[in-house]
Amino acid sequence: GQNIDQPTEMTATEGAIVQINCTYQTSGFNGLFWYQQHAGEAPTFLSYNVLDGLEEKGRFSSFLSRSKGYSYLLLKELQMKDSASYLCAVSDSNYQLIWGAGTKLIIKP
Amino acid sequence: ETGVTQTPRHLVMGMTNKKSLKCEQHLGHNAMYWYKQSAKKPLELMFVYNFKEQTENNSVPSRFSPECPNSSHLFLHLHTLQPEDSALYLCASSPRVAEPNEQYFGPGTRLTVT
Repeated sequence: GQNIDQPTEMTATEGAIVQINCTYQTSGFNGLFWYQQHAGEAPTFLSYNVLDGLEEKGRFSSFLSRSKGYSYLLLKELQMKDSASYLCAVSDSNYQLIWGAGTKLIIKP
Repeated sequence: ETGVTQTPRHLVMGMTNKKSLKCEQHLGHNAMYWYKQSAKKPLELMFVYNFKEQTENNSVPSRFSPECPNSSHLFLHLHTLQPEDSALYLCASSPRVAEPNEQYFGPGTRLTVT
């Protein structure tokens, strides 16, 4: 079967760095997405990785290792507004998105 | 604002009611999706439409009936729902299916079945 695993909840301090991990087992791979979802709002796109390595976009970076079925989202200089759920999703061989259950990130002052 | 709107934002309905959820996208996309989001569970893909044609139906019960009159509008008709159908229903759109496109989501309809 297809499976995406990510931690249910993480806590970090304002100004710090946090890494949210995602491991996947899917039938085929056409890239991995990270989305951010604030409570009561729509998920919004953060990043897309299809090749191995690190993609940096401001305070957020995303890493992919296809051989390990592993990705992480790195958030630097955390701000209170980064409190949200972070969703990992893999595009499978049929280009369907297979989703993880999301990681709720709590930022403390 | 993602360019995808959904109405209503909140809906409470009894098990014998009939209601409809509406989604509209202003992005010129050709693919539209319905997802169900339950607490602490992954997003569940329900239906996919490509150029108004349904391309995916992921074993969704017949009490959920989608309709896509054109590439900009998507409906989800609900009837004789069960309490376990209470969830957040998200609509999304993307330029095309059969490509790993970014999907743009609406804010969702929070459905409660009593």
